[in-house]
Amino acid sequence: KQEVTQIPAALSVPEGENLVLNCSFTDSAIYNLQWFRQDPGKGLTSLLLIQSSQREQTSGRLNASLDKSSGRSTLYIAASQPGDSATYLCAVKGYNAGKSTFGDGTTLTVKP
Amino acid sequence: DVKVTQSSRYLVKRTGEKVFLECVQDMDHENMFWYRQDPGLGLRLIYFSYDVKMKEKGDIPEGYSVSREKKERFSLILESASTNQTSMYLCASSLSRENQPQHFGDGTRLSIL
Repeated sequence: KQEVTQIPAALSVPEGENLVLNCSFTDSAIYNLQWFRQDPGKGLTSLLLIQSSQREQTSGRLNASLDKSSGRSTLYIAASQPGDSATYLCAVKGYNAGKSTFGDGTTLTVKP
Repeated sequence: DVKVTQSSRYLVKRTGEKVFLECVQDMDHENMFWYRQDPGLGLRLIYFSYDVKMKEKGDIPEGYSVSREKKERFSLILESASTNQTSMYLCASSLSRENQPQHFGDGTRLSIL
């Protein structure tokens, strides 16, 4: 059974800092890995999706990498802003008919 | 942009009631999903559907059923609501090809009294 872990559970940084969020998974037989952002009381917003054949994806200040063999992904946020404060979740889609397994998320606070 | 709409943001129901949560997507997606999210337990898949009238159990289907009569609409039904079903419910949809992202609605916070 796929297990997805995100460490740390919470992270606080000053504005302007570059930071890395981590996601690890136990079964490397995946189609893709997706990073989401969730604001308090809201749904999930898709940030980036990396296919299993890809090493990284970029969108603006965000860069996500994938190392399938070691079961790891990172989300790099450059020049963090207070508006980046949210919970970031990763989800791994395995070969079992479209189901994804989610991590518990990392709650990021960017202080002005 | 993909739009996934959940019918209610907040809902309060009583124990034993039959509860319907509705989800509609406007992008002709084949796949639709219902999750619940609880502190300390993360997102857990209740049911998903990969086509009209098709459904598959997720990780925690007990106490729930679903209906997908039209491609754009996926309903979650709590047959007899219980207090342990108080939670945030999230609907999502995606295209059926492997490397398509899931898109989520804003969620329904359901309280069972």
